Amino acid sequence: AQTVTQSQPEMSVQEAETVTLSCTYDTSENNYYLFWYKQPPSRQMILVIRQEAYKQQNATENRFSVNFQKAAKSFSLKISDSQLGDTAMYFCAFMKPVSGNTPLVFGKGTRLSVIA
Amino acid sequence: NAGVMQNPRHLVRRRGQEARLRCSPMKGHSHVYWYRQLPEEGLKFMVYLQKENIIDESGMPKERFSAEFPKEGPSILRIQQVVRGDSAAYFCASSSMTPSSGNTIYFGEGSWLTVV
Repeated sequence: AQTVTQSQPEMSVQEAETVTLSCTYDTSENNYYLFWYKQPPSRQMILVIRQEAYKQQNATENRFSVNFQKAAKSFSLKISDSQLGDTAMYFCAFMKPVSGNTPLVFGKGTRLSVIA
Repeated sequence: NAGVMQNPRHLVRRRGQEARLRCSPMKGHSHVYWYRQLPEEGLKFMVYLQKENIIDESGMPKERFSAEFPKEGPSILRIQQVVRGDSAAYFCASSSMTPSSGNTIYFGEGSWLTVV
């Protein structure tokens, strides 16, 4: 079974600074998808960024980028120019696309606080 | 808004009553997932459905919980004889099988069940 580990329960960052959230996973699969979801105080789950394991290039979405290290099974999220609206829980998730979609496996989350 | 729609957003039930949570997937999506989030925890997979079929219910408690996704209408998660431990946020998500979607799963805003 796949597992996802987020080793930082809480983090804080000053507004406009850069912060990196860690995520590691365990799988024997070669092809899979990785995701970062954001859950603000409203509790809605919002997709931040997606990475396909067969792509070596790290995904980027505006101020959000990932450092995907397949051999190390690491998938960290970097948030640049942090904004107050980035304050949220961040969940790393793994999905194995075999015979159609399979359920997402989530880490326990990292609570990020952006400080003015 | 063509997003994943869940209702009700908030539901209060007394112990022993039944709770029904509804989910309409995004337009064009035929895969529905239900997740449960207990306070201060990550999302736990419950069940994965396609139209008229349960694909994976490995995360669903064996008793009192059931889910369906009929040919017409929304997916329904049903909890019979609720207990206080069922109090949680229940998230529905949907996805499509098209390559352009990258197997991305989109979440609804969640339904908060409180058992008193």
